[in-house]
Amino acid sequence: EAGVAQSPRYKIIEKRQSVAFWCNPISGHATLYWYQQILGQGPKLLIQFQNNGVVDDSQLPKDRFSAERLKGVDSTLKIQPAKLEDSAVYLCASSWLNFYEQYFGPGTRLTVT
Amino acid sequence: QKEVEQNSGPLSVPEGAIASLNCTYSDRGSQSFFWYRQYSGKSPELIMFIYSNGDKEDGRFTAQLNKASQYVSLLIRDSQPSDSATYLCAAYYGNNRLAFGKGNQVVVIP
Repeated sequence: EAGVAQSPRYKIIEKRQSVAFWCNPISGHATLYWYQQILGQGPKLLIQFQNNGVVDDSQLPKDRFSAERLKGVDSTLKIQPAKLEDSAVYLCASSWLNFYEQYFGPGTRLTVT
Repeated sequence: QKEVEQNSGPLSVPEGAIASLNCTYSDRGSQSFFWYRQYSGKSPELIMFIYSNGDKEDGRFTAQLNKASQYVSLLIRDSQPSDSATYLCAAYYGNNRLAFGKGNQVVVIP
């Protein structure tokens, strides 16, 4: 079974620029998560989708971050405008509906200069 | 706010020794707990989960849960250099959501 795919793997932008990340979950996984992992910290949940509906976006900085999951499959996470403190690895994960195990993609390492 | 604390600094253990990692959680309603391993520059992968008080063993790994003390631990027996990684503790708090600790780095010295 193919794993969670993410692109790009690395991105360097200047502050105030915008950036978008893409995620393709494991086929059949209804639940999709975006996490932010700052160096030396654990993953922090930004947003969780179940099919194409949002379950939890309580920790998403909505003034600059947005995410969508069209047709309940692929998802994009956007940051506009980026700040220096957004430098982190952005992890996408997916899981079966009502199942605890989450499968993580390789992540996108974002550097904001 | 669901908090999971992992406060120990990097742990260095000689090859073949036991590595012991600890984690505490704030939400008494959390029922299930997970240990993820994350190699440097890689994504987390699930290695153990536990939801009952007591011990759960899987190969060289043992997870321990004490709900009264809100405490979870992971023991790695016969540590190998390939066990060198960061170990993340996570608590489940409903609707498929996990709260992660910051992780503990383990370095196994050959």
